[in-house]
Amino acid sequence: GNSVTQMEGPVTLSEEAFLTINCTYTATGYPSLFWYVQYPGEGLQLLLKATKADDKGSNKGFEATYRKETTSFHLEKGSVQVSDSAVYFCAPGIQGAQKLVFGQGTRLTINP
Amino acid sequence: GAVVSQHPSWVICKSGTSVKIECRSLDFQATTMFWYRQFPKQSLMLMATSNEGSKATYEQGVEKDKFLINHASLTLSTLTVTSAHPEDSSFYICSARDQGYSYEQYFGPGTRLTVT
Repeated sequence: GNSVTQMEGPVTLSEEAFLTINCTYTATGYPSLFWYVQYPGEGLQLLLKATKADDKGSNKGFEATYRKETTSFHLEKGSVQVSDSAVYFCAPGIQGAQKLVFGQGTRLTINP
Repeated sequence: GAVVSQHPSWVICKSGTSVKIECRSLDFQATTMFWYRQFPKQSLMLMATSNEGSKATYEQGVEKDKFLINHASLTLSTLTVTSAHPEDSSFYICSARDQGYSYEQYFGPGTRLTVT
């Protein structure tokens, strides 16, 4: 079946630190891959996406590369800010079903 | 663009009553809308997929008679929690899929339901 495994949180970093949040998935075919972010008290927002192998999605300094060979879509940022504190969800699409399956979420806290 | 609203943002109801939650796509047409449930500090659980003009498709384990979904137009879907009980208290989130994209979903801000 389709599933996704995310790095367990919570993750706490200092401002300007390097961030990696791991995400691996199992899926049929080659789904589109998404990272969503949920800031405190808000709904989910699309952070970035990649639709085919070797694509790199990027937004707000975050990047993730679609790795077909390792079925991974790790999220990275070179220098995090306090405002990046949020919960991050990895979500591959279920091919043919037009649905997303969400990882358990990784809570990130950035300290000044 | 691609804004999804939900109403109400929070609601408190008494056990045994029903409550309706609205989900609207404000600036695009959504042939498909999704309803999720999110428990504290947990991920989103897909409850059902709603297609405009047809019956919703419910995920395994979700009671369709309890969670009534109606997708009457390309911009509005409603979730009605019937005969609510305290265990139905949760954060309900809807999302909408733009007609032109296969997987990308735009999320509403969520509705906090508390059943007393």
